[in-house]
Amino acid sequence: DTAVSQTPKYLVTQMGNDKSIKCEQNLGHDTMYWYKQDSKKFLKIMFSYNNKELIINETVPNRFSPKSPDKAHLNLHINSLELGDSAVYFCASSPQRGAGGSREQYFGPGTRLTVT
Amino acid sequence: EDKVVQSPLSLVVHEGDTVTLNCSYEVTNFRSLLWYKQEKKAPTFLFMLTSSGIEKKSGRLSSILDKKELFSILNITATQTGDSAIYLCAAGGSNYKLTFGKGTLLTVNP
Repeated sequence: DTAVSQTPKYLVTQMGNDKSIKCEQNLGHDTMYWYKQDSKKFLKIMFSYNNKELIINETVPNRFSPKSPDKAHLNLHINSLELGDSAVYFCASSPQRGAGGSREQYFGPGTRLTVT
Repeated sequence: EDKVVQSPLSLVVHEGDTVTLNCSYEVTNFRSLLWYKQEKKAPTFLFMLTSSGIEKKSGRLSSILDKKELFSILNITATQTGDSAIYLCAAGGSNYKLTFGKGTLLTVNP
């Protein structure tokens, strides 16, 4: 029974296109995240939602827009894709409810995005 | 800005060896230190430490946190080839954010 799932697993597209990645968790968690992992395996936080409210919005180009229709789902839409967007994008979820600490996060399998 | 530094960046050992991976952190309002293992796909959660000096253990893996010196270590005893992975350290403050280090690539040769 998959805890955090992402679709698609692989995405190959051309520069200038718009694409979306979807994430769903069945852990009953309140908080979800998007991370970007570059070719050197460095994991960098992009966005986080707590119960559908945006709580972390790191320095990310405006071309990236997250959306959380409910607390079990978090999507990432990317406009006008560029070569530098090629990376693995991970979704994660956490049982964290409020600010005051940082709880463990559980990661989805990742979406490998290749922009040509 | 919050920072997590891991060392060494890579390590090659033989099966049966014991390894120690290091993680130092500078995080505003520090609350927790987490270790993850990443093989081919997603990072998988290993430990979360919040109290200084209390060791967390799971089989051959153990970890301890020193909040005074701002570091943590992850020990793996009697290493096996299946321990080969990237080990990630992350530190969390009083918000929802985890700051990750660049990881230590561990290779265990038979």
